[in-house]
Amino acid sequence: DGGITQSPKYLFRKEGQNVTLSCEQNLNHDAMYWYRQDPGQGLRLIYYSQIVNDFQKGDIAEGYSVSREKKESFPLTVTSAQKNPTAFYLCASCDQSYNEQFFGPGTRLTVL
Amino acid sequence: AQSVAQPEDQVNVAEGNPLTVKCTYSVSGNPYLFWYVQYPNRGLQFLLKYITGDNLVKGSYGFEAEFNKSQTSFHLKKPSALVSDSALYFCAVRDIRDSGYALNFGKGTSLLVTP
Repeated sequence: DGGITQSPKYLFRKEGQNVTLSCEQNLNHDAMYWYRQDPGQGLRLIYYSQIVNDFQKGDIAEGYSVSREKKESFPLTVTSAQKNPTAFYLCASCDQSYNEQFFGPGTRLTVL
Repeated sequence: AQSVAQPEDQVNVAEGNPLTVKCTYSVSGNPYLFWYVQYPNRGLQFLLKYITGDNLVKGSYGFEAEFNKSQTSFHLKKPSALVSDSALYFCAVRDIRDSGYALNFGKGTSLLVTP
């Protein structure tokens, strides 16, 4: 899992609540990513950031928000607007060569 | 957009036999292709990549992949499978986005190696 940490490992949320997933990296990478994994659907890109204070929507950004105030950190907020948030969330980072992404251990979010 | 496809949801192989996990790609230009492995409830681990050069790429844990431009394929192979190779395997391609790059993943292939 390299130098990327995600917390918590498991997260339970009641409907209507916002929750924030943490992602921290000590690899000095500029680019960071959030993916969502559902069974049989592979990984889908939620948001990504190439540099501090800048980020872009991915393919399934609705109902999610992010911030990138520090190079090391890229937290993801799952809002109450996300219709089906139960999933496994993976954070990744890479350097400016964009030749390999390193992944964190993931956070499993369950909506009760 | 660049994309990859993994035509098999599951591959079963006996321990000691060779294994192949298939991946085909659809890209404009030269592809940057990757294989990752995922064990249950874990993040993805990098196995190997093709950027340029030799069509046969060697990676971690004895895995290799063959880039075939005419067949637009990048199949993952191992000469002799181990039970511990049982996991979920993802093929991915680098895609240019509005700002920078991201990976587009296939849906994954579950590999089961039986003793």
